[in-house]
Amino acid sequence: QSVLTQPPSVSGAPGQRVTISCTGSSSNIGAGYDVHWYQQLPGTAPKLLIYGNSNRPSGVPDRFSGSKSGTSASLAITGLQAEDEADYYCQSYDSSLSGSNWVFGGGTKLTVL
Amino acid sequence: EVQLVESGGGLVQPGGSLRLSCAASGFTFSSYSMNWVRQAPGKGLEWVSYISSSSSTIYYADSVKGRFTISRDNAKNSLYLQMNSLRAEDTAVYYCARDPYCSGGSCYGYWGQGTLVTVSS
Repeated sequence: QSVLTQPPSVSGAPGQRVTISCTGSSSNIGAGYDVHWYQQLPGTAPKLLIYGNSNRPSGVPDRFSGSKSGTSASLAITGLQAEDEADYYCQSYDSSLSGSNWVFGGGTKLTVL
Repeated sequence: EVQLVESGGGLVQPGGSLRLSCAASGFTFSSYSMNWVRQAPGKGLEWVSYISSSSSTIYYADSVKGRFTISRDNAKNSLYLQMNSLRAEDTAVYYCARDPYCSGGSCYGYWGQGTLVTVSS
């Protein structure tokens, strides 16, 4: 059971917009900790997609955007492309568990129809 | 160029031990905290352990506490994970990773390529 909750899967047709939610609690996202998003293609290491809630690393298309409000965060992908099909993970920090640090969502598989 | 290269994975019997290494290059390793993250086959990411830059602060996930030990050698630019009393559920790809950060208007997140640990008889 992941500390952060994501939908297991989302799908959309090419060109459409999809969003992936990431729900936490008052000890992680709600405590003001940043949320980062990673994209993972099959057989590869996760790649940073969104840093600090809404910042895109260089090289990440502006079709990807992030937001945060209260105890939740969201990743939006517009103009869906076949190459976006991947697993997406949110990551934050948690202060409630004994000595915990990073916390992840369970991951969301994006299918481009 | 920042690089993180894990090694030391392999097949080990239940109850056995393994030591993973992560060789860092391209940045001042001694200035940054580091993490181990694992991913079981077909599953999501699970944070395993954290070590501060000076090794003064160390955290573990409950699932590995008492069995795994994280350490680092700043002189060798290396991070380690000593894994004892291994169980089948420890089977995973293990990644070393740095906290993401922004500098000079760009943001970065560095992960190694991962090393596979298989616990099976």
